[in-house]
Amino acid sequence: DTGVSQDPRHKITKRGQNVTFRCDPISEHNRLYWYRQTLGQGPEFLTYFQNEAQLEKSRLLSDRFSAERPKGSFSTLEIQRTEQGDSAMYLCASRVIGDRGRSNGYTFGSGTRLTVV
Amino acid sequence: AQKVTQAQTEISVVEKEDVTLDCVYETRDTTYYLFWYKQPPSGELVFLIRRNSFDEQNEISGRYSWNFQKSTSSFNFTITASQVVDSAVYFCALSGTIQGAQKLVFGQGTRLTINP
Repeated sequence: DTGVSQDPRHKITKRGQNVTFRCDPISEHNRLYWYRQTLGQGPEFLTYFQNEAQLEKSRLLSDRFSAERPKGSFSTLEIQRTEQGDSAMYLCASRVIGDRGRSNGYTFGSGTRLTVV
Repeated sequence: AQKVTQAQTEISVVEKEDVTLDCVYETRDTTYYLFWYKQPPSGELVFLIRRNSFDEQNEISGRYSWNFQKSTSSFNFTITASQVVDSAVYFCALSGTIQGAQKLVFGQGTRLTINP
């Protein structure tokens, strides 16, 4: 197990194009989270899954954004008709629910940096 | 609603100085978790500590120490004898157990620069 993997690391796209990011969580982690981080800000929650079910979506997640986690394994985040304001770092994190130990609980990937030109 | 405030946007000190990063939080949950993460220029979030709301004992890990005070809703982080490698953006975060599906709510971050 090498942690949470995100692909691609960087993506440059033209305004109006669609993009898709992938996150591979730690295999035994049943919860998966997507966050967005813009320059100079802390990460902001977008959505999360418990297994394959998407249980919560932030108001930040407009209808141009869609996330899936088929079979409760990897997840994809798609942005349709990208806008310049979508430029940000998209972070994925996973964890096991019920973790009451002193461990981190949340393991973050290295993120996908999106630039919309 | 849950909220984390890091009032210090940027801090700059000379190497070997001690530095404290402030964190104040708001939550209605009676059980919650507090975290500190480090984000170096490479971008990944590096976990530093997690503390639950029932454990107010201060913690020390090498040059790092954390002061949790429930009475003032603060969870401050001190680096003793700072080093250039400590330069990074530091985030304080809160995770509830009732509201918000245990998702992390982050502060705005404090950019720490340690000058040689």
